[in-house]
Amino acid sequence: QKEVEQDPGPLSVPEGAIVSLNCTYSNSAFQYFMWYRQYSRKGPELLMYTYSSGNKEDGRFTAQVDKSSKYISLFIRDSQPSDSATYLCAMTPYSGNTGKLIFGQGTTLQVKP
Amino acid sequence: DADVTQTPRNRITKTGKRIMLECSQTKGHDRMYWYRQDPGLGLQLIYYSFDVKDINKGEISDGYSVSRQAQAKFSLSLESAIPNQTALYFCASASSGGRGTGELFFGEGSRLTVL
Repeated sequence: QKEVEQDPGPLSVPEGAIVSLNCTYSNSAFQYFMWYRQYSRKGPELLMYTYSSGNKEDGRFTAQVDKSSKYISLFIRDSQPSDSATYLCAMTPYSGNTGKLIFGQGTTLQVKP
Repeated sequence: DADVTQTPRNRITKTGKRIMLECSQTKGHDRMYWYRQDPGLGLQLIYYSFDVKDINKGEISDGYSVSRQAQAKFSLSLESAIPNQTALYFCASASSGGRGTGELFFGEGSRLTVL
């Protein structure tokens, strides 16, 4: 079993829909949780960062962490065609920029106009 | 120009050949990484370097080697390529002095095909 599981999709939604992307994990030592967005033929870029449990909001994006359930989510409100990308969850037990992240498989999202 | 530059962007080679993927960054970061991305597997860490004299193995280092020629340059070598090393390879950099957000800055990837 992988340490981090993510439904690969693909997920297709109409423009304006609310999107929910999720990851589950097995290592209770994970404390730092990230969402990266990867456009086609590009490298991933950091979208959201959360430490421990709770919610974090940034514009149309909300990241949620539930450590008791070992479950993290990314919500996208009022989705746009420009949100079409692969979304990768990542996590680590280490503080600071160690780069020793464990990534999920990535979920491919398509937002149709 | 990209902050993290990888060369070549695409490479097709044959089994047994030696291949080098190069990476350079202009962000002044001290930490550099090589990841491999396969469909359905996400990103896996191959090697990482916290400074020029500090190189460490990641999750899947077998069959790979690296060289940190300077703070800004980090190359990945496949001494004798095999077909299951066909993948998309990403170089990334990060600053130890950052906000601790886990932010890696990735290059655009090098697609390697081993026949």
